[in-house]
Amino acid sequence: KAGVTQTPRYLIKTRGQQVTLSCSPISGHRSVSWYQQTPGQGLQFLFEYFSETQRNKGNFPGRFSGRQFSNSRSEMNVSTLELGDSALYLCASSLGQSLTEAFFGQGTRLTVV
Amino acid sequence: AQKVTQAQTEISVVEKEDVTLDCVYETRDTTYYLFWYKQPPSGELVFLIRRNSFDEQNEISGRYSWNFQKSTSSFNFTITASQVVDSAVYFCALSVLGDTGRRALTFGSGTRLQVQP
Repeated sequence: KAGVTQTPRYLIKTRGQQVTLSCSPISGHRSVSWYQQTPGQGLQFLFEYFSETQRNKGNFPGRFSGRQFSNSRSEMNVSTLELGDSALYLCASSLGQSLTEAFFGQGTRLTVV
Repeated sequence: AQKVTQAQTEISVVEKEDVTLDCVYETRDTTYYLFWYKQPPSGELVFLIRRNSFDEQNEISGRYSWNFQKSTSSFNFTITASQVVDSAVYFCALSVLGDTGRRALTFGSGTRLQVQP
């Protein structure tokens, strides 16, 4: 059974640009959550999607957005990139709504220059 | 609000030593889940264990064991006879039901474990 797949693995972007990250959950999993990991703030929850709807949101500015498709794949978008957006972005896949388990992908490492 | 504290930033041991990683959590919820994840240099968070708040039974899985004590709000992780492959950053996390009726993971700051040969 394939795990959680995140693409791309690495990205370098310039300040002011926008970026889209992709996450394919484990087959059969319908919930996808996104987390940001930085040395200063650690691991922080961004948002969760279930059945193509955002169900939960962390404390991040509106520049961070996402969506989920009917096949449960999810994309995360960051607009008007800032240097502080440089981070490892991790996607977690869960079977149901209650997040009693979460399996993570290898992440996308975004560097903003 | 919930909080997870991993007071040990970094631990260095020699192979075959036992090591315990501490985790203290705060929540007002009576129903919650606790997790441990391992993050090797590749970046992926590897799921190790989940424990719900109603199950205080300790668990052992091979060289790994977990001690959950609600009285002290702690969920400590012990590696017996550590190996170089255990070198990684370990995260403790808490999942509670939020105002949206959904759960999200609140992570501790992590403990970097270095096992020297």
